[in-house]
Amino acid sequence: ETGVTQSPTHLIKTRGQQVTLRCSSQSGHNTVSWYQQALGQGPQFIFQYYREEENGRGNFPPRFSGLQFPNYSSELNVNALELDDSALYLCASSLAAVPPSEQYFGPGTRLTVT
Amino acid sequence: GESVGLHLPTLSVQEGDNSIINCAYSNSASDYFIWYKQESGKGPQFIIDIRSNMDKRQGQRVTVLLNKTVKHLSLQIAATQPGDSAVYFCAETPSGTYKYIFGTGTRLKVLA
Repeated sequence: ETGVTQSPTHLIKTRGQQVTLRCSSQSGHNTVSWYQQALGQGPQFIFQYYREEENGRGNFPPRFSGLQFPNYSSELNVNALELDDSALYLCASSLAAVPPSEQYFGPGTRLTVT
Repeated sequence: GESVGLHLPTLSVQEGDNSIINCAYSNSASDYFIWYKQESGKGPQFIIDIRSNMDKRQGQRVTVLLNKTVKHLSLQIAATQPGDSAVYFCAETPSGTYKYIFGTGTRLKVLA
C-alpha cells in the first residue's frame, strides 16, 4: 500500500452531470497529479497541483478542474460529463513537482458515465 | 504527439523463466524513465527507474536497460513468479517537465 487514498471507489453518473473525486496524498507529499486511465490504456496526465497551485496540465478541456488544499489533499472536478469520461481516475502524490520524484499512486476511482 | 509504446501487448512466460518487456519511447528529450506494475483493481506500483545518464540499473529480481541511441527501454524480470502476472507500463518524463507519459502497457502472464 502506498498511503494514497481515493474516494469514492466506484461512481456512476449520467451524461451532463458533474462529479467530484477526492484524493489524500501520502504523508509529507506536497504534490498531487491526476491521471485518466481508459480501459486497456495507460494513464493519461490530466494536471498536477503543487502547494495548492496548478503546476501543469495535459490535453484535457477546461471542464476538468481541480483543487489542492493546505493539507495537500486534492479534488478533481469534471463538469458536463460525457460518455468518454468513463475511466479509472488515478491520483499520485510525490515529494517534488518535477521528476525525478517517485509518484505513489492510489487505487483509483472507477467512473462510469451512462 | 509524444508517445511511449510497447512492442508486445501480451507476454506469456513459464514460471521460473526470465521475462523481458520492451518499450520504445519517442521523445529524445526525456531524461527519466520508470517501470510500473499494475494489478487488476489497483493503481500502478513503482518497480524501478533509471535516469538518462545510466544504461542499466538493477533492483531485486528486476533490471532496467536503457538504450538512448535507439530510444529503447526494457525491463527484465528474473525467475518470473505467478505474482508477477500483471500489466507493465513504461513511462518517460521529458526533461524539466512535471508529467509522466505512459505507454499502453504489456500484459505479463505467468504459466504454471
